[in-house]
Amino acid sequence: EPEVTQTPSHQVTQMGQEVILRCVPISNHLYFYWYRQILGQKVEFLVSFYNNEISEKSEIFDDQFSVERPDGSNFTLKIRSTKLEDSAMYFCASTLAGMAGQYFGPGTRLTVT
Amino acid sequence: AQSVTQLGSHVSVSEGALVLLRCNYSSSVPPYLFWYVQYPNQGLQLLLKYTTGATLVKGINGFEAEFKKSETSFHLTKPSAHMSDAAEYFCAVSAEEYGNKLVFGAGTILRVKS
Repeated sequence: EPEVTQTPSHQVTQMGQEVILRCVPISNHLYFYWYRQILGQKVEFLVSFYNNEISEKSEIFDDQFSVERPDGSNFTLKIRSTKLEDSAMYFCASTLAGMAGQYFGPGTRLTVT
Repeated sequence: AQSVTQLGSHVSVSEGALVLLRCNYSSSVPPYLFWYVQYPNQGLQLLLKYTTGATLVKGINGFEAEFKKSETSFHLTKPSAHMSDAAEYFCAVSAEEYGNKLVFGAGTILRVKS
């Protein structure tokens, strides 16, 4: 069964460093998303991406964040200058056009020290 | 705006007993409703969804949920709990439109006692 994959599974970085989280969505899906879950808190929406542009973003998704689909398979989330409060599990998700419900990857645990 | 409230951050049942996980939603537009399950160190797996039509929806692993518009609820049930059902369960809502973001509840951790 096709699945969303994410790399790395765990990333440790120092405050102020840039990180790139990578995702490979399911191949025929057209909508892509990033969510995050701070330890002990709700899963929160960050951004959605469709047709090579951001379709919606939350207030969390400020200028420090960016997303890109550099080729036909990868979808990346970049955090330009990480803060301690960016420590969280980051989930990538994708869905097919005309389908309700998103398929999630296993997540990348980001630890900012 | 949309929101989800899951009553009970922890639910404990005996193996073979009924599982009932509660979810209430708020939505200014007709909602799509979802239940996801998260096993330790894994991603979120879609259990079931309600979009339109039949209000009782069946999902994987014997779970089902009923959409009750008058009660703004979408409770998850399973007649007989199995040890393998121990996990965290998330209710989520999105606007009735494909491609929209999911808004999640806080999650309910289900413990199954032998």
